[in-house]
Amino acid sequence: AQSVTQLDSHVSVSEGTPVLLRCNYSSSYSPSLFWYVQHPNKGLQLLLKYTSAATLVKGINGFEAEFKKSETSFHLTKPSAHMSDAAEYFCVVTLWMDSSYKLIFGSGTRLLVRP
Amino acid sequence: DGGITQSPKYLFRKEGQNVTLSCEQNLNHDAMYWYRQDPGQGLRLIYYSQIVNDFQKGDIAEGYSVSREKKESFPLTVTSAQKNPTAFYLCASSWDNQGESFPTEAFFGQGTRLTVV
Repeated sequence: AQSVTQLDSHVSVSEGTPVLLRCNYSSSYSPSLFWYVQHPNKGLQLLLKYTSAATLVKGINGFEAEFKKSETSFHLTKPSAHMSDAAEYFCVVTLWMDSSYKLIFGSGTRLLVRP
Repeated sequence: DGGITQSPKYLFRKEGQNVTLSCEQNLNHDAMYWYRQDPGQGLRLIYYSQIVNDFQKGDIAEGYSVSREKKESFPLTVTSAQKNPTAFYLCASSWDNQGESFPTEAFFGQGTRLTVV
């Protein structure tokens, strides 16, 4: 089975401290992986993507993620949280099905940033 | 500016009514998708279309219908058969991923919040 698991439904950090949002995937082939961010009542915005190039991927707003094939992980990090980072984050993996790729979403992690 | 537009932003439906949610994109993308999002849950795929005049059911298609008469447009109708339609609906588009080596990301609209009154 091919799937994606976000290990924490909620993460709370203080402003200025590091952020770690965890994502593990299951895939029978080398996948493409994405992180999206969603602010309340908004659509999803792409933060970064991994498509088999460099394993350390840099995204927007200071976020980055590292693809670790041995651990089947794609954790999202940021050195210093900002209040504006408070949002819901989705890890997404591709799935080959019915002659095309489909995006499979994790259940999301809500990031809370304390002043 | 290129993008994907959903309308309306908020929609209210009476019991037993059909309503149609609009989704338009000017990104020249072949593939379009409809997702449903419920509180505390991820996105679930309702329908998707890889090409004009063709579409496939996703994981939760019951009670919904779509059409794809133009490349730019992929409207979703929530029918009276959908027993629990209150949710946040997101439309997305991407390049055609059929046979591509590296799937590309999807671009999302701002969503439509549907409430049954």
